[in-house]
Amino acid sequence: GAVVSQHPSWVICKSGTSVKIECRSLDFQATTMFWYRQFPKQSLMLMATSNEGSKATYEQGVEKDKFLINHASLTLSTLTVTSAHPEDSSFYICSARAEAGESYNEQFFGPGTRLTVL
Amino acid sequence: KQEVTQIPAALSVPEGENLVLNCSFTDSAIYNLQWFRQDPGKGLTSLLLIQSSQREQTSGRLNASLDKSSGRSTLYIAASQPGDSATYLCAARVGSWGKLQFGAGTQVVVTP
Repeated sequence: GAVVSQHPSWVICKSGTSVKIECRSLDFQATTMFWYRQFPKQSLMLMATSNEGSKATYEQGVEKDKFLINHASLTLSTLTVTSAHPEDSSFYICSARAEAGESYNEQFFGPGTRLTVL
Repeated sequence: KQEVTQIPAALSVPEGENLVLNCSFTDSAIYNLQWFRQDPGKGLTSLLLIQSSQREQTSGRLNASLDKSSGRSTLYIAASQPGDSATYLCAARVGSWGKLQFGAGTQVVVTP
């Protein structure tokens, strides 16, 4: 299957700082990528849909000014958590949707980024 | 709004037994349904994707069925192994470009 990478895999930061997480589709192009958040023992919660070359679409209740998304190319989307606070500590997972080939419309997920805000 | 439910929340079986994981969804007009595996602290690995026109998909020891009329999908894992221990998530998509709606997952432990 297709491969999606995330960087970093984990990050610890001080309260008030900003953290950028990268999501790359390694062997396919993705016009659409997705950012999810997962709390312990819970399922994935969609935060936003990232569209290449246009503004992201945020889910209800997700602050777009706090979670900045940039999808500048067909293989890279970034999520920046601005002015991070301890309640932003979570596991962030990105996903990219295949738009061609035998995996058409299948979503592939990255390995996740563990964010801890002190 | 599509709601996806997975029962049971947790399951423990001895090695060699077959696993049966259930997923139910409220909106039968799904486009496709995916089963994923998640290991602790890791991302999701796609196991099987079933299109709405299909009744089942198979990959190795894994078989997933789809019954849209009853709003159910079942993942069967034959001859379970300790390495199958993980959380299994199902997710349904409504519409070709709709969002994936996830269930809460079933945590599986296979004991040697």
